[in-house]
Amino acid sequence: EPEVTQTPSHQVTQMGQEVILRCVPISNHLYFYWYRQILGQKVEFLVSFYNNEISEKSEIFDDQFSVERPDGSNFTLKIRSTKLEDSAMYFCASSGLAVHSGANVLTFGAGSRLTVL
Amino acid sequence: RKEVEQDPGPFNVPEGATVAFNCTYSNSASQSFFWYRQDCRKEPKLLMSVYSSGNEDGRFTAQLNRASQYISLLIRDSKLSDSATYLCVVNGQKDAGGTSYGKLTFGQGTILTVHP
Repeated sequence: EPEVTQTPSHQVTQMGQEVILRCVPISNHLYFYWYRQILGQKVEFLVSFYNNEISEKSEIFDDQFSVERPDGSNFTLKIRSTKLEDSAMYFCASSGLAVHSGANVLTFGAGSRLTVL
Repeated sequence: RKEVEQDPGPFNVPEGATVAFNCTYSNSASQSFFWYRQDCRKEPKLLMSVYSSGNEDGRFTAQLNRASQYISLLIRDSKLSDSATYLCVVNGQKDAGGTSYGKLTFGQGTILTVHP
């Protein structure tokens, strides 16, 4: 079964440092996403990416965050200057697109746990 | 009002029991509805999509009531392996009325523990 892969599985960083989380989406998918889940809280949408640009982002996704698809396979999330409150599990997801139904089934990666000290 | 609201539980049921989860959503323009399950410290995994006519997948039955903005999941003949957090998920709608592909809004989740 095709899967979304994420690296690293766990990263510990100091406050103020830059972090890059990497994802390899499913190869024939068109839409890519980042979600996050703070421990004990719900999963929250960060950003969606299509056709090499951001299609939608949430209020959480401020200027400290950026996404990039540097080549044909990787999709990255960069946090420029990490804060304590950025500690969370970050999930990458990808999907094809069911144009007619409007539904969009996402496949999530196993997540990257970020701990900011 | 929360965008997607679920009873957090926890639900503790014996094997073989039938258990039902409820969910309400606030955005009447929402278009797609799902149940995901999430095991401890793992990623959400799609359990089933929810259709207006209701749908069944083995022991799992999902219902949608658009008028009441209410979604349900029924699990029959519970197994130990059903123990997980069940997430009610709604596909969001952009403010301008456009469709928001992939911007899923998650509920807090309902914890289910099935015991022998």
